[in-house]
Amino acid sequence: GAVVSQHPSRVICKSGTSVKIECRSLDFQATTMFWYRQFPKQSLMLMATSNEGSKATYEQGVEKDKFLINHASLTLSTLTVTSAHPEDSSFYICSAGPESYEQYFGPGTRLTVT
Amino acid sequence: QKEVEQNSGPLSVPEGAIASLNCTYSDRGSQSFFWYRQYSGKSPELIMFIYSNGDKEDGRFTAQLNKASQYVSLLIRDSQPSDSATYLCAVNRAGGSYIPTFGRGTSLIVHP
Repeated sequence: GAVVSQHPSRVICKSGTSVKIECRSLDFQATTMFWYRQFPKQSLMLMATSNEGSKATYEQGVEKDKFLINHASLTLSTLTVTSAHPEDSSFYICSAGPESYEQYFGPGTRLTVT
Repeated sequence: QKEVEQNSGPLSVPEGAIASLNCTYSDRGSQSFFWYRQYSGKSPELIMFIYSNGDKEDGRFTAQLNKASQYVSLLIRDSQPSDSATYLCAVNRAGGSYIPTFGRGTSLIVHP
């Protein structure tokens, strides 16, 4: 299958600071990438669709000014959690695929806001 | 009503048995169905996808789709302890969208 990487794998930050998470497709190009959030023992919740060269599409209830998404190239999308608070602590996962119908997940980023 | 429903489990089966995981969905227009495996603390990995009614087999895994009844299942033959994980069912939104909606997952425990 296709390989998707994320960086960092874990991050701890103080409340009020911003954190950037990178998602890269390593062996294919992706015009679309997806960002998810998963709380413990909960399902994956789609946050937004990242579109290369254009604005991201956010799901209802997701604050676009708090979760900034930039898809500047065909292999990289970034999610920046701005002014993070403890309730933003979660497991953030991106997905991408060589074909839209076949998505592969990155290893995830565990964010802890203290 | 939740869009994709799964029994959270845990489903416990002995090693070597067949594990049967079920998923129902509410949107009749959905066209694509996926099963993912997620180990604790890890991200999901794609096991299988199915688009047509009937069975699709891949090694020890068989996906079954019944669009009339709006359910999709995953059978794991010869279950191994390494199969112990949470299995997520995902259904693409109707209208040709490739955006999946995930169920909460079923926890499977395969005991030696």
